[in-house]
Amino acid sequence: DAGITQSPRHKVTETGTPVTLRCHQTENHRYMYWYRQDPGHGLRLIHYSYGVKDTDKGEVSDGYSVSRSKTEDFLLTLESATSSQTSVYFCAISTNKGVVDSPLHFGNGTRLTVT
Amino acid sequence: KNEVEQSPQNLTAQEGEFITINCSYSVGISALHWLQQHPGGGIVSLFMLSSGKKKHGRLIATINIQEKHSSLHITASHPRDSAVYICAATYQGAQKLVFGQGTRLTINP
Repeated sequence: DAGITQSPRHKVTETGTPVTLRCHQTENHRYMYWYRQDPGHGLRLIHYSYGVKDTDKGEVSDGYSVSRSKTEDFLLTLESATSSQTSVYFCAISTNKGVVDSPLHFGNGTRLTVT
Repeated sequence: KNEVEQSPQNLTAQEGEFITINCSYSVGISALHWLQQHPGGGIVSLFMLSSGKKKHGRLIATINIQEKHSSLHITASHPRDSAVYICAATYQGAQKLVFGQGTRLTINP
């Protein structure tokens, strides 16, 4: 158990509402990632973080923002949810050496449905 | 463009068979990862390798840098091995993974 908790595990929300997903780690690892997983697309990177207040965009960042004010928490916000953001969201962490030298550890995922 | 291609997309086999899943990638990777995802479940890291071969129980991962190819083998397959297996690459200079589409493996008893 790599000590990663995602919350909520399931959420249904309406189009146009803001939504925040939380990823919490107890490992004090530097690198954190948010992915979405959709049929036919596999895992796609939304945003990632090198450390506190250090974040960068991934390949599908439009409509999403992130914040990392503490090492242990990485928040993903859908500013105005759309039906195309219905997906399963995974948080992952890597050790201080990053994915060049260490594996990713994934959270259990958040299933988000936008109606 | 840095890509990762897996084959086959789907694989069905009988219990006990030897399984091979393939992964090809572009030049310049730092590391190659194999992940496992059971139906409705989370994602688990199986291997991370940059050369040679690694073994864990009945699972073996190999990588051939010259051919830009990696394989995941499962010996004496079992129905509990049924899952999606995902290959991912870390390209040099990057701290993020490029994922393949996954291989859905079904082992029938």
